Amino acid sequence: ETGVTQTPRHLVMGMTNKKSLKCEQHLGHNAMYWYKQSAKKPLELMFVYSLEERVENNSVPSRFSPECPNSSHLFLHLHTLQPEDSALYLCASSQDLYSRWASGKITGELFFGEGSRLTVL
Amino acid sequence: EDQVTQSPEALRLQEGESSSLNCSYTVSGLRGLFWYRQDPGKGPEFLFTLYSAGEEKEKERLKATLTKKESFLHITAPKPEDSATYLCAVRRQDSGYSTLTFGKGTMLLVSP
Repeated sequence: ETGVTQTPRHLVMGMTNKKSLKCEQHLGHNAMYWYKQSAKKPLELMFVYSLEERVENNSVPSRFSPECPNSSHLFLHLHTLQPEDSALYLCASSQDLYSRWASGKITGELFFGEGSRLTVL
Repeated sequence: EDQVTQSPEALRLQEGESSSLNCSYTVSGLRGLFWYRQDPGKGPEFLFTLYSAGEEKEKERLKATLTKKESFLHITAPKPEDSATYLCAVRRQDSGYSTLTFGKGTMLLVSP
């Protein structure tokens, strides 16, 4: 496997269900991200983990709970979601640049997975 | 607050008809402007990073340019397989990780 892999690709759940989205990256990166993509809206950053520590949480409701057990895996646990949470959830990874902050050119590209299409009924 | 505005929202071209997509941005200390391509039902695919005004990068029929306020993605003699949504994003200055701010995208349709 190469790149960033997300499972499942499609998920339908009721508002009372509990489910999880999984992301795995095979790029040797140490920063991972969850983005939400809704129709007619820009990608919205939800969470950032850098060196396995959560460094950003952009006012995301507590019904979304991230977990990053190691630098290659990222989860998004879902519970009691609302229909407006239906969207494409994208995982991404990049190389954390703090360790090379003073060493030269910064790249910072994000590499995305294929996304998990979530429908909440 | 970082802002990215892309225009037009949608663009329909005939095969071979060259055009440009625009990305206007405001950011506190630009540390990279990124172009991505996204096909329906898939994740964004990285195309280019530009760092400073005057910089240009090319890939096949695509060329990206950067000024202090905007970036253009020029498409020369497009083919139907260039049909996709093109996303522009800017990187915040003060972080070592890449919290990108994205625009809404331009949906490009190239007809044979």
